[in-house]
Amino acid sequence: DAKTTQPNSMESNEEEPVHLPCNHSTISGTDYIHWYRQLPSQGPEYVIHGLTSNVNNRMASLAIAEDRKSSTLILHRATLRDAAVYYCTTSSINDYKLSFGAGTTVTVRA
Amino acid sequence: EPEVTQTPSHQVTQMGQEVILRCVPISNHLYFYWYRQILGQKVEFLVSFYNNEISEKSEIFDDQFSVERPDGSNFTLKIRSTKLEDSAMYFCASSLRGFVSTGELFFGEGSRLTVL
Repeated sequence: DAKTTQPNSMESNEEEPVHLPCNHSTISGTDYIHWYRQLPSQGPEYVIHGLTSNVNNRMASLAIAEDRKSSTLILHRATLRDAAVYYCTTSSINDYKLSFGAGTTVTVRA
Repeated sequence: EPEVTQTPSHQVTQMGQEVILRCVPISNHLYFYWYRQILGQKVEFLVSFYNNEISEKSEIFDDQFSVERPDGSNFTLKIRSTKLEDSAMYFCASSLRGFVSTGELFFGEGSRLTVL
């Protein structure tokens, strides 16, 4: 798995967008990029994943750089419920596991 | 919405005792996982399981650990002789497909194990 680097923490105001960066400069051509989040006292929760193209779902958008060495998770309108640790990770196409790093702790101010 | 359920939510045990943590994965899922998170640390992969066999395991998953799917619904993690350093939150997860690149893992809310 490619090593990922994320900022330790980010703060946002409620109802504003949040852009969470992730560096994965050693990613290989067939590695997927995954984002999960962990709300306080809960297990990790899937957010989004992608390979090359930008991806959107009801929770967030994933913008993947053209060289795939970095990506950005975009929460379009942060709510208090979005306060969590956000994990960016990668996997090869035939991995049976995901590995998590320290993630980015997101704080949302009311 | 279907969910992964884990029992017990919290277990306290004495060092050296055996512990079994139980999980009921989402009913049509075929791939099962255990992770652990020591307080204040990152979520660590322990083992993945499919078709009654371990698919992959980490260095943490030594001979003290075992997993089993004893019936059609439960997935268990057994720690044979607990150590103080086994104190952690243990998360079960399941997925419909095996390769994580093909979809999401669904995690339970965890079982907190405290070893005294």
